[in-house]
Amino acid sequence: AQSVTQPDIHITVSEGASLELRCNYSYGATPYLFWYVQSPGQGLQLLLKYFSGDTLVQGIKGFEAEFKRSQSSFNLRKPSVHWSDAAEYFCAVGASNAGNMLTFGGGTRLMVKP
Amino acid sequence: GAVVSQHPSWVICKSGTSVKIECRSLDFQATTMFWYRQFPKQSLMLMATSNEGSKATYEQGVEKDKFLINHASLTLSTLTVTSAHPEDSSFYICSASDVNQETQYFGPGTRLLVL
Repeated sequence: AQSVTQPDIHITVSEGASLELRCNYSYGATPYLFWYVQSPGQGLQLLLKYFSGDTLVQGIKGFEAEFKRSQSSFNLRKPSVHWSDAAEYFCAVGASNAGNMLTFGGGTRLMVKP
Repeated sequence: GAVVSQHPSWVICKSGTSVKIECRSLDFQATTMFWYRQFPKQSLMLMATSNEGSKATYEQGVEKDKFLINHASLTLSTLTVTSAHPEDSSFYICSASDVNQETQYFGPGTRLLVL
């Protein structure tokens, strides 16, 4: 069975600082990997996804993520955080396509200090 | 593109009544739609998966008679919470994927409060 772990429940960074949110997955084959962001009381917005190819993927809002098969990780990064990035971030893993079930991590709440 | 809407965005109802939540894909045809439930400060829990024109597949522990799902068209799925009770109060989120089924796009969610 597939699983996703986001080790950090909360992270606080200063505005302008760099950010890395960790995501580790367990899946028997090559996974489809996603990062979503959720603002309070809102649905989820897709930040980026990895299916195959270049292991460094670029997303919206200046985010990027790197797939490292050897570490079973798909960490999300941003070089300079803005106050508007404060939100809940979810990593998810899917089967051969996301039309099948996604398994979500527990989420990481990002707080940004002025 | 790939916009999913939900209606209503929030609803308050009395215990024992039924509530219907609509999920629409606005600019694509959704061959598969998903319904999730999210408790405060927790992750999403998949309730069911529905394919257009067929019965929904419910996750273990989800009562299919309580949470009725209909996916009658390629742009609309509905979730009806029947005989709602306070413990059904939650945030319900739908998502949809197109025929390529590569990505799920999420709606803005519906907050349900049962008094």
